[in-house]
Amino acid sequence: GEDVEQSLFLSVREGDSSVINCTYTDSSSTYLYWYKQEPGAGLQLLTYIFSNMDMKQDQRLTVLLNKKDKHLSLRIADTQTGDSAIYFCAESTSGGSYIPTFGRGTSLIVHP
Amino acid sequence: NAGVMQNPRHLVRRRGQEARLRCSPMKGHSHVYWYRQLPEEGLKFMVYLQKENIIDESGMPKERFSAEFPKEGPSILRIQQVVRGDSAAYFCASSPPGDWGNEQFFGPGTRLTVL
Repeated sequence: GEDVEQSLFLSVREGDSSVINCTYTDSSSTYLYWYKQEPGAGLQLLTYIFSNMDMKQDQRLTVLLNKKDKHLSLRIADTQTGDSAIYFCAESTSGGSYIPTFGRGTSLIVHP
Repeated sequence: NAGVMQNPRHLVRRRGQEARLRCSPMKGHSHVYWYRQLPEEGLKFMVYLQKENIIDESGMPKERFSAEFPKEGPSILRIQQVVRGDSAAYFCASSPPGDWGNEQFFGPGTRLTVL
């Protein structure tokens, strides 16, 4: 199976919170990342979390990490139409030169 | 400080031709990574280079694909004798020197279409 898994689609109403979930398999993961990809563009790092943390908050973004269950989530508060994009979860380890392994991405659709 | 630049943004090739994709890292960045994104899939790592050195090419197909990052000039991903299955978006990323579990800055990608 895939090393990093995430659901493919999420649809939310503008103003609601969005929660995008991700699971990974590598217990030695050191860093976990969330990237955003807008249509026709490259990936933009939104936020990352060290594996010894369980939460990180950055403005509207909250990352939660459950290391025991190898589960990562990204919560976007007050979701806006400009948040519509594909969100990629990724993990890296020091043994892998910190090269991220990406999930397939979750398409977030925000409708009015 | 310009971001990571890739050119061309779109490339069309016929089967059997060669494709050359270029990547100029951000100023001060000495590490370059190439990824391939097939439709509706995540990014798959291909190769990691530093100036004049290939550090990790574990994701590169064994044949027809090569990459370089010369002392001067951009990094080049070269695909010889392209086939339809090579059609994908190819992304380059760069990061600064150092051991830190790095933030990679991505370019806008080159979308290769093989006819």
